[in-house]
Amino acid sequence: SQKIEQNSEALNIQEGKTATLTCNYTNYSPAYLQWYRQDPGRGPVFLLLIRENEKEKRKERLKVTFDTTLKQSLFHITASQPADSATYLCAFRDSNYQLIWGAGTKLIIKP
Amino acid sequence: DSGVTQTPKHLITATGQRVTLRCSPRSGDLSVYWYQQSLDQGLQFLIQYYNGEERAKGNILERFSAQQFPDLHSELNLSSLELGDSALYFCASGPDTEAFFGQGTRLTVV
Repeated sequence: SQKIEQNSEALNIQEGKTATLTCNYTNYSPAYLQWYRQDPGRGPVFLLLIRENEKEKRKERLKVTFDTTLKQSLFHITASQPADSATYLCAFRDSNYQLIWGAGTKLIIKP
Repeated sequence: DSGVTQTPKHLITATGQRVTLRCSPRSGDLSVYWYQQSLDQGLQFLIQYYNGEERAKGNILERFSAQQFPDLHSELNLSSLELGDSALYFCASGPDTEAFFGQGTRLTVV
């Protein structure tokens, strides 16, 4: 079955540095990948979508890449701030229109 | 504000009971998705409705059921509740390229 893997360990980054999160997928070739942010006790919030024919997508301090050969997407936050601390989820929609979710990576930005 | 409304925000009930969670999708969205998220766990897809019809089913227990009404709001019914059903339940709506989530209903079974 289709699967998404995200690093389950929390990622600790010093404020001002670039945080990079990884999303690997298997058994499917999605047309696009989505990235979300989730704060404790709240619903995920959509951040970015990247299509299979796009190598890179940017939005302010966020950058997402999509490597269909490696079956991997990387999510970067540049000039990270403590307010960026949250859990980041990636997801793709399969052929049955179901969104397949990764478990998320918890990002902690230390002042 | 995502435009997706869930009620109630909190619910405390006893084991064996039945509860109903309600979701109003964003205006114009035909799809409604239900998810369960236990403490420090990932999102577990339960079920999707599209314009009143069941479209996809995930790991939804037989004790759980859902429906979508003609006005497109949806209800998730949870019965014979067990302690392990305590979780955040999210509803989402939106196009295929983006999901908008409600604030969630925190269910506590005691």
